[in-house]
Amino acid sequence: SQQGEEDPQALSIQEGENATMNCSYKTSINNLQWYRQNSGRGLVHLILIRSNEREKHSGRLRVTLDTSKKSSSLLITASRAADTASYFCAVGNFNKFYFGSGTKLNVKP
Amino acid sequence: DSGVTQTPKHLITATGQRVTLRCSPRSGDLSVYWYQQSLDQGLQFLIQYYNGEERAKGNILERFSAQQFPDLHSELNLSSLELGDSALYFCASSVAQGTEAFFGQGTRLTVV
Repeated sequence: SQQGEEDPQALSIQEGENATMNCSYKTSINNLQWYRQNSGRGLVHLILIRSNEREKHSGRLRVTLDTSKKSSSLLITASRAADTASYFCAVGNFNKFYFGSGTKLNVKP
Repeated sequence: DSGVTQTPKHLITATGQRVTLRCSPRSGDLSVYWYQQSLDQGLQFLIQYYNGEERAKGNILERFSAQQFPDLHSELNLSSLELGDSALYFCASSVAQGTEAFFGQGTRLTVV
């Protein structure tokens, strides 16, 4: 299966700390996307990293991709209570992408 | 606001019925994706269209069908509904295949 698998399933940290989530997958991919979902709401696109890229930054977000290990990580620096949400990676090729089961992040104020 | 519009936001219907979910993609996006999110199965890819043509199929039941119209909006038709079809149904769109996909707020379907 191409489905991404996030690790850990749940993460609880204090405001101001960094949060790291990992995503592993099994087959070759064209790109990998990270999304955030607040409970029962729509998915918010965070960042897309292509298979020929190793690292991307967007504000407090840093995403890495290691295609040799078939893994990606999402780092949120200086976390805020508002970052509390579920985070999903979506591994894809040109016309479809598959989600993992997500990491539930709880940032305590 | 992602720019992807889904209607209706909520839908309650009885088993055996048929419903149609509608998605308007972001302006200029040619690709539309449908996903189902349920508690026990997570986010499941259903189907993808590009400029009116079906391009990829995932775990879509035979009771479900979709289409993308010339104006690029898409509809997902769910028929002979069962209790297990209760879920959030999301539509996403992207400019082209393999680019960032942006999701709508979803349609919450409850089958009673």
